[in-house]
Amino acid sequence: QKEVEQNSGPLSVPEGAIASLNCTYSDRGSQSFFWYRQYSGKSPELIMSIYSNGDKEDGRFTAQLNKASQYVSLLIRDSQPSDSATYLCASYTNTGNQFYFGTGTSLTVIP
Amino acid sequence: GAGVSQSPSNKVTEKGKDVELRCDPISGHTALYWYRQSLGQGLEFLIYFQGNSAPDKSGLPSDRFSAERTGGSVSTLTIQRTQQEDSAVYLCASSFQGRSYEQYFGPGTRLTVT
Repeated sequence: QKEVEQNSGPLSVPEGAIASLNCTYSDRGSQSFFWYRQYSGKSPELIMSIYSNGDKEDGRFTAQLNKASQYVSLLIRDSQPSDSATYLCASYTNTGNQFYFGTGTSLTVIP
Repeated sequence: GAGVSQSPSNKVTEKGKDVELRCDPISGHTALYWYRQSLGQGLEFLIYFQGNSAPDKSGLPSDRFSAERTGGSVSTLTIQRTQQEDSAVYLCASSFQGRSYEQYFGPGTRLTVT
C-alpha cells in the first residue's frame, strides 16, 4: 500500500466548474499535508498546505483535511484552463522526517 | 527572495560517464531533498539532508548514486558510471524544518544518458 494515494485521472471539468481532487494517506502520524501543482515540463509548485482538520481557503482553492478518515482534498472553484496540470498530494510525518508524495491527478479544464 | 536553484538545467552524457548535479537551497532552509522524476511518472525520493545530521540515503537506487551537502547549504548529487535508465529529471527541494515543513522545488536538471 502506498503512503499517499490519488486517483490518477484524468479528470476533466468545464471552465467555471468546481474541480475536486482527492487523496488518502495511510500513516496516522502524518501531521502536515500539501498540494502541489505541476505543469507539464515544469517542477512542482506548492499551492496549499493544511495542518488541522477542516477547511482552509486561499482564493479559488480550498483544502480540506479529515484526519479521522485520513483524507485530504483540494477544491478549485471557477476552474480556468490555466488550472490544467497535474496535482500532487503530499504528507509529512516527523517520524523519520518523511515526506510522501502521491503519483498525481491530471486535471484538464475544458474552455 | 531567491528560490531553489539547480544546475545545469540540462545535461546530456554518454553511458558510463560520471555526472554531478548541483542544488542551491533557499537561504536559511535547513532541510534539502533530492527526487527523481521519470517521464510521466511520480516523484521518487532519493536522499534527504537535515542540518548536520547524517543524511537519509534510503531512496538511493544503487551505490552509483551519492550526494553531499557542504556547509549545510549547497548539495551535489553524483551519479557514477551512468546508465540509460538514469535518464530523468532530478529535482531538488528545500524546507525550513520546525516551522512549516513546506518544500519548495528547484527547476530541476534534465539528465539524458545516451
